[in-house]
Amino acid sequence: DTGVSQDPRHKITKRGQNVTFRCDPISEHNRLYWYRQTLGQGPEFLTYFQNEAQLEKSRLLSDRFSAERPKGSFSTLEIQRTEQGDSAMYLCASSFSGAGHNEQFFGPGTRLTVL
Amino acid sequence: AQTVTQSQPEMSVQEAETVTLSCTYDTSESDYYLFWYKQPPSRQMILVIRQEAYKQQNATENRFSVNFQKAAKSFSLKISDSQLGDAAMYFCACHSGGGADGLTFGKGTHLIIQP
Repeated sequence: DTGVSQDPRHKITKRGQNVTFRCDPISEHNRLYWYRQTLGQGPEFLTYFQNEAQLEKSRLLSDRFSAERPKGSFSTLEIQRTEQGDSAMYLCASSFSGAGHNEQFFGPGTRLTVL
Repeated sequence: AQTVTQSQPEMSVQEAETVTLSCTYDTSESDYYLFWYKQPPSRQMILVIRQEAYKQQNATENRFSVNFQKAAKSFSLKISDSQLGDAAMYFCACHSGGGADGLTFGKGTHLIIQP
């Protein structure tokens, strides 16, 4: 399968715990995006990487959130000291900057539930 | 900054009929792209159709077409010959041409197909 993959698909955690999600983009894609989607809403942009450089961060990305993309391949999103308000679907997308049309391909998402 | 507004939380259409989903947007960018994404109950986002803002011709993909009115900042999606598999959440999204930020999504329209 050459699509975007995310792991885990579901995560249940207790408030105050740290969680980490992983995203593997389409192999030739140099851009990687993280979004958060709450029930009944459209996805909201969190952060963006071009290769290994994190170029943009939304104000939604509080200090408890950190994202990395070592070597410009897979990416991880870590949430420290989780809160109930962090419960959401976390979506990853990737694109190729040379494509000219900025099409982003999405992964299946990681559903986080904070108890 | 960009905003995307979808004013129809839910639409219903009979199978084989035609339905139009509305979207308006606002952006300060002169170079931007518009997209319609479909999110079926399994929740993986799938690109339906895209439109480059500099193109006057409306995009078409099989049964899906758009009505792009640049001056009015309107970008509606028409689905012809609706099929049961079209049932999903549909999100309108905007992206700047440089690609240095994420997609801005509307809140979505839940499309119901009546058999």
